[in-house]
Amino acid sequence: DADVTQTPRNRITKTGKRIMLECSQTKGHDRMYWYRQDPGLGLRLIYYSFDVKDINKGEISDGYSVSRQAQAKFSLSLESAIPNQTALYFCATSHPGTSGVDTQYFGPGTRLTVL
Amino acid sequence: QKEVEQNSGPLSVPEGAIASLNCTYSDRVSQSFFWYRQYSGKSPELIMSIYSNGDKEDGRFTAQLNKASQYVSLLIRDSQPSDSATYLCASGFQKLVFGTGTRLLVSP
Repeated sequence: DADVTQTPRNRITKTGKRIMLECSQTKGHDRMYWYRQDPGLGLRLIYYSFDVKDINKGEISDGYSVSRQAQAKFSLSLESAIPNQTALYFCATSHPGTSGVDTQYFGPGTRLTVL
Repeated sequence: QKEVEQNSGPLSVPEGAIASLNCTYSDRVSQSFFWYRQYSGKSPELIMSIYSNGDKEDGRFTAQLNKASQYVSLLIRDSQPSDSATYLCASGFQKLVFGTGTRLLVSP
């Protein structure tokens, strides 16, 4: 079984709809992240969480919200989807090593299309 | 604004050649650097990490870091068609900043 799972893997929705993307991990990592990837723009950080009670905005948080339901679960919501939120969304997890440096591991991604 | 810059490519090399991928970063306090490989439509996969100046080798891959020049590179020896992918460079400590990636094409 995959260590980091994302559901759904593909989603097509309409402008104005509420959408939730879910991420679960069995790696036992405390830190979780949500990114979006657009052609030519690379990976951009939306939100991140270093533990269950910690939520932080990333580079492009406007229009998104998150919920950290448990150590293993981190959900991303689009309250009112718009077409420019069409992108590939990745969840990632990490845990600080002995040197304090994190290595991030990515889920398989969710392809979201907003019509 | 912390930035990581990569040439978008494509970088084309013949099978068996050495592929050299380069990356520069703007944040002088960055402590750790990563190379990820990403096949089209798939998730990034960690290839190498490097934290100290110099070279780090792992199989066919060698990462090179020069903090004075704010420069990181990835060398792939004996390139194979299966190495054809986009390579993402990232820097940071707890939060990573990613470059837009270099597309590598290895022709048989």
